[in-house]
Amino acid sequence: NAGVTQTPKFQVLKTGQSMTLQCAQDMNHEYMSWYRQDPGMGLRLIHYSVGAGITDQGEVPNGYNVSRSTTEDFPLRLLSAAPSQTSVYFCASSPGTTSAAQYFGPGTRLLVL
Amino acid sequence: QKEVEQDPGPLSVPEGAIVSLNCTYSNSAFQYFMWYRQYSRKGPELLMYTYSSGNKEDGRFTAQVDKSSKYISLFIRDSQPSDSATYLCAMTASNFNKFYFGSGTKLNVKP
Repeated sequence: NAGVTQTPKFQVLKTGQSMTLQCAQDMNHEYMSWYRQDPGMGLRLIHYSVGAGITDQGEVPNGYNVSRSTTEDFPLRLLSAAPSQTSVYFCASSPGTTSAAQYFGPGTRLLVL
Repeated sequence: QKEVEQDPGPLSVPEGAIVSLNCTYSNSAFQYFMWYRQYSRKGPELLMYTYSSGNKEDGRFTAQVDKSSKYISLFIRDSQPSDSATYLCAMTASNFNKFYFGSGTKLNVKP
């Protein structure tokens, strides 16, 4: 049981490049979320999903896209990277309506030059 | 105004001290309250989970929720150097859709 996994661990991009951050969970959780963590800002919600085929925007969705074709996977796409997207990105999953407990992945550190 | 406010610290205490960490919030719809511990360069891990008002104890950790004051606390008894980490409060309404986090308090327990 790996829990929540994220790849890559670290990535450097140039401004304007696109990339996909991968997230997968093996706990059969319905809910999945993407956060970014910046110094002094805590965790801010980018996008979330309450089940396969259902996604919605969080607090800071601009510049990011998501899709949820399976229960297990929830990739985050950066369409055209900007230096303001330099951050640490965390994926989380939770059972859904039975529990508010979220389980986090190890994070992806992204540097946009 | 942010949904959740948390003093960023840092908070430095000697080993064995009682630590008090706090968050305030503005949204009366929040029903579930969590505390996460995050070690440097790691993902947050769930520490405590409470519903509505009241206290919950787990070993050296006690979580308190006062919904009338919109104030939550985490107490750590007999603090250890291994407790040195950033502590994040989080909360959500009953639909569990969106979670709101405090900015985190960095705790340093000195041996």
